[in-house]
Amino acid sequence: KAGVTQTPRYLIKTRGQQVTLSCSPISGHRSVSWYQQTPGQGLQFLFEYFSETQRNKGNFPGRFSGRQFSNSRSEMNVSTLELGDSALYLCASSFGTGGRTDTQYFGPGTRLTVL
Amino acid sequence: GDSVTQMEGPVTLSEEAFLTINCTYTATGYPSLFWYVQYPGEGLQLLLKATKADDKGSNKGFEATYRKETTSFHLEKGSVQVSDSAVYFCALTLGGSQGNLIFGKGTKLSVKP
Repeated sequence: KAGVTQTPRYLIKTRGQQVTLSCSPISGHRSVSWYQQTPGQGLQFLFEYFSETQRNKGNFPGRFSGRQFSNSRSEMNVSTLELGDSALYLCASSFGTGGRTDTQYFGPGTRLTVL
Repeated sequence: GDSVTQMEGPVTLSEEAFLTINCTYTATGYPSLFWYVQYPGEGLQLLLKATKADDKGSNKGFEATYRKETTSFHLEKGSVQVSDSAVYFCALTLGGSQGNLIFGKGTKLSVKP
């Protein structure tokens, strides 16, 4: 079956702009999580959505927001971009049931560069 | 807070050498533990996981045992190959959803022929 897809794969923006990233989960998965990966901070959890509701949230400012649609596709938005927002943004999907066999599958990521 | 600490890299080994990457955790609850791998130019892939104490996760010759008494989940492989060159991440999650992983900083492994 098709994996997690993320669009766009690469993005260049300037400070102060806003950006929207998209994630399409594996068919049947209802949980979508977002992570930020940087060389300095490593992989950090942003938020998780399950059935259109935010279920968990990491320690990021309010400029970072997300949503999930009824088909489980998710978007994240970053407003008023800062240089430090340059990162690889990873999306992961899972069934979201938390069972022993439930596993997060990651997409290839969106590389955001803020100039 | 909850956290994962793994050994600093990079780690350079010769083919067929024994690999250990140390991982310890701090958690307020009873976590599930994971090892993810990121090959060059690719996304994160789950390598193995363990959801309760003394569980052993294994995949592709890699193994890790959930040790509650030492709060550890060390990754081992008896004989590494050049194709194992990648960045390895230890991670944990608390609660049932498994949707909010807490990652270690990652350990880059290079295997030389």
